[in-house]
This record gives sequence, structure tokens and C-alpha cells, in this order.
Amino acid sequence: SYVLTQPPSVSVAPGKTARITCGGNNIGSKSVHWYQQKPGQAPVLVIYYDSDRPSGIPERFSGSNSGNTATLTISRVEAGDEADYYCQVWDSSSDHQDVFGTGTKVTVL
Amino acid sequence: EVQLVESGGGLVQPGGSLRLSCAASGFTFSSYWMSWVRQAPGKGLEWVANIKQDGSEKYYVDSVKGRFTISRDNAKNSLYLQMNSLRAEDTAVYYCASFGTALASPFDYWGQGTLVTVSS
Repeated sequence: SYVLTQPPSVSVAPGKTARITCGGNNIGSKSVHWYQQKPGQAPVLVIYYDSDRPSGIPERFSGSNSGNTATLTISRVEAGDEADYYCQVWDSSSDHQDVFGTGTKVTVL
Repeated sequence: EVQLVESGGGLVQPGGSLRLSCAASGFTFSSYWMSWVRQAPGKGLEWVANIKQDGSEKYYVDSVKGRFTISRDNAKNSLYLQMNSLRAEDTAVYYCASFGTALASPFDYWGQGTLVTVSS
């Protein structure tokens, strides 16, 4: 089955930029979606189809995808961005299964 | 406003069964693929199952194949997950999620989840 690997944690100072990677074999050929999850809450979609932003998500959130790595970038980080972040793809080659990344805890210093 | 409300969770013994429900409102339920996603305590998200708009296609994560069945009733705007032969490792919060009109779409709306605990 397809595997998505994320760093367990990323720490960033307020106002700086956080970059969260999502590694997978030839992930650049797939559509990547990103979710934010705060403690005790359901996940929220923050980036879809690699780089599109749902309405209501700040422009500070952006995404890219190429080769074997997709990246979620959070610019001008705020305290409210502290959360777990997950990447996700649909893998057509493994019996049409959706796959989530291992998750990254973003800590705002 | 889109709402997804799960119910049916609880404590069940290993080997037992449970049926989860998800009541949808605020969108045209019959037009969307639907999913179940779970999260074990302190762990990451795990996709469980998908079902097509008319129920004609269903897909499952390998670990639940043959034990779980996803279904839907478009007349009642409801999604279901029948879970049989439950194991301790099935303990998790189960989320209902909608994900658009085609495979590879994002999970755009989520319920608040229902907790399933498998323990003797």
C-alpha cells in the first residue's frame, strides 16, 4: 500500500514560516490534500488539489507538490496555527484506497 | 449549513458488533461520495471506507475488509458503518466525512465523531 511520510513535529516562532513535508513515491503525480486538526476537534481541510485553498482559510496557507514531496507552507505563523497537520492522497493503484500521512505536530514557540 | 452527525458508538466486547450512523443535512447527500475515517486514541487519521453516491462502489482499508460494511440510505440522508468481529485495535473515534463527486476529491466536511471502544 502507498505510504506518506511526514516529520513528527515542526517548531516555529510567531511571524515566521513553517514548512511541513509529505513524502511519497512519485507523489507529484497525485492530488494532495491537507488537513488541520486541533485537540478534541474534527479535521478541517486547509489545502486541496495540491495548492487550492477553501473559502475561509487564510492566504497564509499554501501548498506545492512535485517529485516525491508535497509541502504545506504556513506563512506569518500565529499561535492559532498550533495543531496537527495531515496530508492525504487517493491511491488508484491499491484498490482505490485513500491514504493519510503520519501527521505533523506544529508547535508555535 | 452542512452538518454531519455521527451516533452509535460505545463500549463493545472483542468479537462483538456495532452499527454507526451518520445523519447528513445542508447539502445534496445523494450527490456525494461518503467516507468513514477513524482515529485511535493519541494516533493519526486512518481512512476506513468509501461509498459511491448510489452505493454501487465500496472500498475498504485492508484491515477491515470482510468485517466492516459501509452503506447509505439516500432517502434518509444517512450513512452507516456495520462493524462486526471487532478487535481492540478498532478502538477509535470514527468520523463521517463527505468527499465530493469523484474519487480523489478532498474530504471537505467532517462530523464531530463517535467513540468506539473495544474492550472486555
